[in-house]
Amino acid sequence: AQSVTQPDIHITVSEGASLELRCNYSYGATPYLFWYVQSPGQGLQLLLKYFSGDTLVQGIKGFEAEFKRSQSSFNLRKPSVHWSDAAEYFCAVAYSGTYKYIFGTGTRLKVLA
Amino acid sequence: DGGITQSPKYLFRKEGQNVTLSCEQNLNHDAMYWYRQDPGQGLRLIYYSQIVNDFQKGDIAEGYSVSREKKESFPLTVTSAQKNPTAFYLCASSSPRLNTGELFFGEGSRLTVL
Repeated sequence: AQSVTQPDIHITVSEGASLELRCNYSYGATPYLFWYVQSPGQGLQLLLKYFSGDTLVQGIKGFEAEFKRSQSSFNLRKPSVHWSDAAEYFCAVAYSGTYKYIFGTGTRLKVLA
Repeated sequence: DGGITQSPKYLFRKEGQNVTLSCEQNLNHDAMYWYRQDPGQGLRLIYYSQIVNDFQKGDIAEGYSVSREKKESFPLTVTSAQKNPTAFYLCASSSPRLNTGELFFGEGSRLTVL
């Protein structure tokens, strides 16, 4: 079955430190990959997406992600975290010709002042 | 501004009652979705609709029903058959024809069964 794994349930970083959130997907076909962010009690906001082309994609709020086909990964990075980045982050995958999006279980980010 | 509107934001229900959550979009999107979110479980697909008057079950459709009579609207009914309905419900839409692929989400509705 198709699945998305976010191995880190919680991550805590200090403000100004770098961040990497991990995401792996299970299916080998060409995926559409997404990272979303969710503040408590809110909907999800798209940070960035990968469909094709350059495997390093830039998103909003200073985030970037790199698609590595050989590792079936799409890790999210930010060079310097701000306190306002504290939220829950979801990785998702979809496949061409389908209408189904598969979400990981999320990583909750805590930022220390 | 275009977007997705969910209502109500908070809803309380007694056991045995059906409740309907509203989802309206003005993005002119063809596809609409309902997800359920529980702590530590990510988002699970309840139903989705690719076009008016057509919808498909997702992974956890039991105890839920939907309709898609208009392109803009995709209401979700949580029936008394749903054994554990307390959760956060998210509506989303997408426009595959534009090949953007991403989901746009509403702000969610939190249902609590008393």
